[in-house]
Amino acid sequence: GQQVMQIPQYQHVQEGEDFTTYCNSSTTLSNIQWYKQRPGGHPVFLIQLVKSGEVKKQKRLTFQFGEAKKNSSLHITATQTTDVGTYFCAGQGSGGGADGLTFGKGTHLIIQP
Amino acid sequence: EPEVTQTPSHQVTQMGQEVILRCVPISNHLYFYWYRQILGQKVEFLVSFYNNEISEKSEIFDDQFSVERPDGSNFTLKIRSTKLEDSAMYFCASSLNLGAFFGQGTRLTVV
Repeated sequence: GQQVMQIPQYQHVQEGEDFTTYCNSSTTLSNIQWYKQRPGGHPVFLIQLVKSGEVKKQKRLTFQFGEAKKNSSLHITATQTTDVGTYFCAGQGSGGGADGLTFGKGTHLIIQP
Repeated sequence: EPEVTQTPSHQVTQMGQEVILRCVPISNHLYFYWYRQILGQKVEFLVSFYNNEISEKSEIFDDQFSVERPDGSNFTLKIRSTKLEDSAMYFCASSLNLGAFFGQGTRLTVV
């Protein structure tokens, strides 16, 4: 079955430093989605990437989808304490919305003031 | 802002008992899902539901699990005979076409 690998598992940064998490799928995806989960919270949808090579920005967050639609990255510029949480990528197969999401293990972002 | 609501927030049950977890998805959404997350681990897909039937299910979703959308608003997950390893946070989610919106979850503890 589809597998989604995500690295690193943990990332400690000083406030103001940049942060990147990487995601790789064993199969070609119809889309990839990114979620943020605060400690004790639920996954919150950040963005969905659909097109090969797509790059999307949300303020300090930049999301990329690889040309082969098998890998993706999330980059945060100048981290702030509000960025703390676990960032998950999640791939969706050819069935689109009818298919479930395969989540990566997530990257825990820890920010030191 | 519309949100997915789940009840109860916490359920403790004895091994072998049946539990029903309830969800009210966002009203105009078309796709409905159940996921679970064992403490500290990744989110795992259980089942997706579209057009009043299961559209996909994972290996976790065995004969002990079932889903229903009985009345056009509620979406339930039933576990017939709970096991210790069913202890987890269960998230309901719904989607229209862009991303999935998760509920706050039900923490199920099987003792």
